[in-house]
Amino acid sequence: DAGITQSPRYKITETGRQVTLMCHQTWSHSYMFWYRQDLGHGLRLIYYSAAADITDKGEVPDGYVVSRSKTENFPLTLESATRSQTSVYFCASSSASGGAETQYFGPGTRLLVL
Amino acid sequence: GNSVTQMEGPVTLSEEAFLTINCTYTATGYPSLFWYVQYPGEGLQLLLKATKADDKGSNKGFEATYRKETTSFHLEKGSVQVSDSAVYFCALRSGANSKLTFGKGITLSVRP
Repeated sequence: DAGITQSPRYKITETGRQVTLMCHQTWSHSYMFWYRQDLGHGLRLIYYSAAADITDKGEVPDGYVVSRSKTENFPLTLESATRSQTSVYFCASSSASGGAETQYFGPGTRLLVL
Repeated sequence: GNSVTQMEGPVTLSEEAFLTINCTYTATGYPSLFWYVQYPGEGLQLLLKATKADDKGSNKGFEATYRKETTSFHLEKGSVQVSDSAVYFCALRSGANSKLTFGKGITLSVRP
């Protein structure tokens, strides 16, 4: 089916391990985003990408790495997971920048770091 | 910088009650304003949006009017249903970049 998908949907890991969250969209949207959702904070932008091979930091990038070798994929890696990275992670995409352009969100990945 | 402030929650209403969820913002330039909704276990989806002052966004019985003079974008619905139970996020985008700034979200529970 067309749309934006995330995998895995649920992940339990241990402190210090590397974890990669996958995001795939089928619309060929230029822009892709990673957010984390935490109680009391709403959604906070981690990283975003305007096109393949172009990425930039958001509000809370520390401890995360992204890459975008293909337009449709935007993986997020936690290099050495910490308990503070326990959260729900959402990927989103949009076709253009600015104005009233809609961002489309994936279903989220629930990550628990023990 | 840009910021969005939503009223504190959670909010619990009976079915068919009137709903207002307050949202105010601070932004440079002329932002576009959005309401996103997150149903249990799902990602966010766009509910409605408005791009300029006095525009009214509407969808599924929900409405919000872009009020530049009060920097507000309050969400309203005349008669809520149990199926409206969800988390509601107000958001804005200002300037040439594509980054959204979200409020903290508010949980709405509607009782039968």
